[in-house]
Amino acid sequence: GNSVTQMEGPVTLSEEAFLTINCTYTATGYPSLFWYVQYPGEGLQLLLKATKADDKGSNKGFEATYRKETTSFHLEKGSVQVSDSAVYFCALGPDYGGATNKLIFGTGTLLAVQP
Amino acid sequence: NAGVTQTPKFQVLKTGQSMTLQCAQDMNHEYMSWYRQDPGMGLRLIHYSVGAGITDQGEVPNGYNVSRSTTEDFPLRLLSAAPSQTSVYFCASSAGVGITGELFFGEGSRLTVL
Repeated sequence: GNSVTQMEGPVTLSEEAFLTINCTYTATGYPSLFWYVQYPGEGLQLLLKATKADDKGSNKGFEATYRKETTSFHLEKGSVQVSDSAVYFCALGPDYGGATNKLIFGTGTLLAVQP
Repeated sequence: NAGVTQTPKFQVLKTGQSMTLQCAQDMNHEYMSWYRQDPGMGLRLIHYSVGAGITDQGEVPNGYNVSRSTTEDFPLRLLSAAPSQTSVYFCASSAGVGITGELFFGEGSRLTVL
């Protein structure tokens, strides 16, 4: 079945460092791909998404490109801030035309940014 | 903007007790769902609903019941709590069905079963 694999954390970076969190997926069809972020004590919120191959999602300085040839959706940010410290989840959406919004989540990657 | 509201935020139960986690959304979303979050396992889908009167099982439905009598509410019931149900529970909703899949999450309910 469909699945998502993301790099294990924690990832610890200094402020202004470059961030990459790897995410790969296994799916049939052409699923949508998402990154969600969970700040301490809060629920998840959508960070960015891409709905077809070669789409680039971006938000708050974060970017991820839907790469069908490598089945990947890696999250990147050029210069992280302490306020980016959170858990990041890669998620796989329904195949094109799917009848539900069931998402399959990765295990999450904890990012800790030190000043 | 209320969004998705979950109650209670924290609950401690003894094995065998029953309880209901409440979830309400004020965005007129058709789709609602419950996830549980466990360390090292990410989020796993328990049950979901694509509209009032319609529910279906997710990945880990055993030990949980749901109903959807209105568009706004989607309660999750534990009939006989077990320690394995100690987890953080999230309710999430979405505007429609289809390819976008964007979910709006509540703040979570932390349940401990002793």
